[in-house]
Order: sequence, then structure tokens, then C-alpha cells
Amino acid sequence: EAGVTQFPSHSVIEKGQTVTLRCDPISGHDNLYWYRRVMGKEIKFLLHFVKESKQDESGMPNNRFLAERTGGTYSTLKVQPAELEDSGVYFCASSQWRARYEQYFGPGTRLTVT
Amino acid sequence: RKEVEQDPGPFNVPEGATVAFNCTYSNSASQSFFWYRQDCRKEPKLLMSVYSSGNEDGRFTAQLNRASQYISLLIRDSKLSDSATYLCAGESGGGADGLTFGKGTHLIIQP
Repeated sequence: EAGVTQFPSHSVIEKGQTVTLRCDPISGHDNLYWYRRVMGKEIKFLLHFVKESKQDESGMPNNRFLAERTGGTYSTLKVQPAELEDSGVYFCASSQWRARYEQYFGPGTRLTVT
Repeated sequence: RKEVEQDPGPFNVPEGATVAFNCTYSNSASQSFFWYRQDCRKEPKLLMSVYSSGNEDGRFTAQLNRASQYISLLIRDSKLSDSATYLCAGESGGGADGLTFGKGTHLIIQP
């Protein structure tokens, strides 16, 4: 069974530019999560989708971040405009509906804002 | 106090030894906890779930102590391949479905 995939694996952009990260969850997983790890800090929750609906976006840093999951399959996370403090590794995770806390992570996208 | 705290280590342990490390949590509403293993520059991989008092899977045993609000991970007969960072995570509680992670404990198994 294919795992969670993320694209791109790395992205280097300049401050003020826009970047869109993509996540494809494990097939059949209704729950999809975005997390971020900033250097030296712990992994932090950003938001949670159930199918195409946002269930919890309490972890989103500010309105420069926009997540979508049209059709309840893959998800995108857009950062516009990017700031230096947005640098970090963005992980996507997915889980089955009945075991929502058993989350399986993708390889992450390493974002560097210069 | 941080929500989930772990000793960052590193723990240097000889191959074949038993190693244990703890993770403390502050959110008493959390019901479920998890141990993840993360190799350098890789994603966290789910190692064990801890829903009640404990869980055992081969050489790995996880225990939950609700009274003292900590979770432990015990690794028996450690292998070189066990070298990694071990992340503790708990459900955030309050209806939120995200996990709250610790910073991780770095384990180095030495030959």
C-alpha cells in the first residue's frame, strides 16, 4: 500500500513569494493533517481535514496560510506571501476515520525562505 | 510547562542493552498517546499506540501512568538499527484531532 506522499521534497523561495505544497494521503484515509517543524522546535499541528471539510485549523499561524482539500482527496497548503519565519519542514499525515489518532506521516516538504 | 516534555538525550547505549525513556504530559484530558520513531531527515513513523495502561510489541513496551502523567518506552535487546529519535505524542484533547508532540529523545546504540 502506498504511503503518504508530498511534493515538492524541497522548496527554496524568496521572502514575499508564494509556495504551494501538496499532500496525497493514503488511499481511503478520510483524515488529513498538516504539521510543521521549525528548526529546534517540536512538530506542531496546523490543521485537520475530514474529507473535504476543515475540522480544526486552530494551529494555522496566520492568514498567509491557506489549506484546501477539494474533493476530499489530495490537499494543498499555500503560503502567500512567505516570510522568513515560515521556513521549516511541513509534514502531512493521514489516518482512517475510526482510528483518527493513528496518523501516518509523509516525508515532508523542507521549505526555506530567504 | 510544555505540554509534552522529553529528555532530548542523547542516550548512548551498548548494543544488546535495555533502554527506557519517559515522556511527561500536562494535558490531563489526553486519552491516547503514541511513540513515533524518526530517523535523520525522515518522517516520523508510528511505532506504538498507548490507549490504556500499556502495550507490548516484540522488543518494545510502552506504558502509560495517568496518575503521574507520563508515558514510557522500553526497548529490550537493543539493536544498532534502533538508533533514531523517538517522539512522544498525545492527542490534543478538547475535541481537537491534532497530535501534540514532544521534541524527541535521541538514542544512539553503540556496537
